[in-house]
Amino acid sequence: AQKVTQAQTEISVVEKEDVTLDCVYETRDTTYYLFWYKQPPSGELVFLIRRNSFDEQNEISGRYSWNFQKSTSSFNFTITASQVVDSAVYFCALLNQAGTALIFGKGTTLSVSS
Amino acid sequence: EAQVTQNPRYLITVTGKKLTVTCSQNMNHEYMSWYRQDPGLGLRQIYYSMNVEVTDKGDVPEGYKVSRKEKRNFPLILESPSPNQTSLYFCASSSTFPGQAIIANSPLHFGNGTRLTVT
Repeated sequence: AQKVTQAQTEISVVEKEDVTLDCVYETRDTTYYLFWYKQPPSGELVFLIRRNSFDEQNEISGRYSWNFQKSTSSFNFTITASQVVDSAVYFCALLNQAGTALIFGKGTTLSVSS
Repeated sequence: EAQVTQNPRYLITVTGKKLTVTCSQNMNHEYMSWYRQDPGLGLRQIYYSMNVEVTDKGDVPEGYKVSRKEKRNFPLILESPSPNQTSLYFCASSSTFPGQAIIANSPLHFGNGTRLTVT
């Protein structure tokens, strides 16, 4: 079975702190695809990143970085020097085996205070 | 502007009163899908459509219907809504079947959501 676990339900940090959001996935596929989406308080879903299983390079985009580790089945997301605008619910997701849907984790609510 | 448009954004209704949530995309996407989001459960797929007249069930299809008579529209129909269908609903589209979309470098585009309350 395929599954995505985001064990952290809520995280609170103060502005400028670094924060890591954990994502652990389960799949028997050798080729698979992982995603992160952001849901700000306004409610829309914003695509952040897609990573395939055969590309283990870590990704950095400004203050955002992603650490993909196949050995531990994790795809963690780090925000460096967090800002209030980073406050949102963050979802990690796995493309299902049939390629027809994303399997989402339950999400992590990040609150950044000033 | 490329977008997925859902209407309405907010809807309050009563048990048993049929309703339709519309979804339209202007990107000529083949693939469209509906998800519902519930606290503590994340997002779960209700139905998806690979192309016109081709639809299939997702993980939680009970109580819902969809149709895909034209490429741009994918309405979600609740024939007899119940309180357990109170949720935040998202429509999504992609230029191709998601598995292929990955290869084609096309992520899922989500609409802004419809918050439905059934009393």
